[in-house]
Amino acid sequence: QKEVEQNSGPLSVPEGAIASLNCTYSDRGSQSFFWYRQYSGKSPELIMFIYSNGDKEDGRFTAQLNKASQYVSLLIRDSQPSDSATYLCAVNPGGGSNYKLTFGKGTLLTVNP
Amino acid sequence: DAGITQSPRHKVTETGTPVTLRCHQTENHRYMYWYRQDPGHGLRLIHYSYGVKDTDKGEVSDGYSVSRSKTEDFLLTLESATSSQTSVYFCAISGRQGAQETQYFGPGTRLLVL
Repeated sequence: QKEVEQNSGPLSVPEGAIASLNCTYSDRGSQSFFWYRQYSGKSPELIMFIYSNGDKEDGRFTAQLNKASQYVSLLIRDSQPSDSATYLCAVNPGGGSNYKLTFGKGTLLTVNP
Repeated sequence: DAGITQSPRHKVTETGTPVTLRCHQTENHRYMYWYRQDPGHGLRLIHYSYGVKDTDKGEVSDGYSVSRSKTEDFLLTLESATSSQTSVYFCAISGRQGAQETQYFGPGTRLLVL
């Protein structure tokens, strides 16, 4: 069973702080990794993806990947109340299932004004 | 919403009745997916399709069937609904962002089985 683990939270940070969201995965052969944001009552929306070790930055968001440690993280700089949502980590196991994703259960982030 | 619609958006039904949910895309993508999302379980794949008339099971396929007779439509059927199938159902399509294939979600259908 390929698993993706996230701390369910809630993670609470003050406005302007850095929020750090973490995800581990069990399948060492996984090839690409995704972060989705889901507001309450809404559908998941893609924030970022990463497939190479290291950091990938997009505006206030940075995704970090360490395949040796089977660990992927999302940093949100200058957190805003509008960032309050559940963040889902998803992993593409690759191989013959290139278009299937396994999702973690999500981390609830609350940014306090 | 990446050109994905779902219908109905909300449905209440009774145990034992058949239910069909529809996903429609305007993007002409080959891959389409049905997920359910429940508290404590996250998003779980029910079935997916990799082309017209080509479908396969996901991790929670029992009690569900799917059909895809046209590229743009992917139907999920609960043959005889049970209370355990009360959930939020999301359809997704697989699209390309640059060199990376990823998934985009529809708005969801809230299903309550009484």
